[in-house]
Amino acid sequence: AQRVTQPEKLLSVFKGAPVELKCNYSYSGSPELFWYVQYSRQRLQLLLRHISRESIKGFTADLNKGETSFHLKKPFAQEEDSAMYYCALSGSNYQLIWGAGTKLIIKP
Amino acid sequence: DGGITQSPKYLFRKEGQNVTLSCEQNLNHDAMYWYRQDPGQGLRLIYYSQIVNDFQKGDIAEGYSVSREKKESFPLTVTSAQKNPTAFYLCASSISRDLYGYTFGSGTRLTVV
Repeated sequence: AQRVTQPEKLLSVFKGAPVELKCNYSYSGSPELFWYVQYSRQRLQLLLRHISRESIKGFTADLNKGETSFHLKKPFAQEEDSAMYYCALSGSNYQLIWGAGTKLIIKP
Repeated sequence: DGGITQSPKYLFRKEGQNVTLSCEQNLNHDAMYWYRQDPGQGLRLIYYSQIVNDFQKGDIAEGYSVSREKKESFPLTVTSAQKNPTAFYLCASSISRDLYGYTFGSGTRLTVV
């Protein structure tokens, strides 16, 4: 079965602390993975995708096929990072399969 | 300026009424999608269309209907058969063979009164 799991509904960290948003997936083929972000009163938007191996707004995510994970990390959290984060997997029919989302709160 | 537009932003419906949510894109994307977003449940797929005049049911299609008569447009009708229609609805589009992710609209919040 194709599935994306984000185990934390809510993650709260202090400004300047490291952040790790967890994402695990179940997929039999070669996965395409994405992180999307939804800031307050803004539309859902792509943050990064694993095929690009890029860093956006200081966030990185590495695909670990052995652990079937695609955790999102940032070494030093900023208040503007507070948002809802979704991990998604491009399935066999090119549909995105979504995790339930993690609400990230950065405390001052 | 390319993008995807959803209207209206807020919509109120009386019990027993059908309502139609608009979604228009000028990105020349082949595929379009409708999602329902509820707190704590992530995004759930209602319907999707990968080509004009063709669409498929998603995970929660009951009580909803769509049409895809034009590439740019993918309206969603919430019918009176939908038991719990109050929600936030998101429309998205993508290049058909999706390696670049989706572009989302700003959403429509539907409330049944």
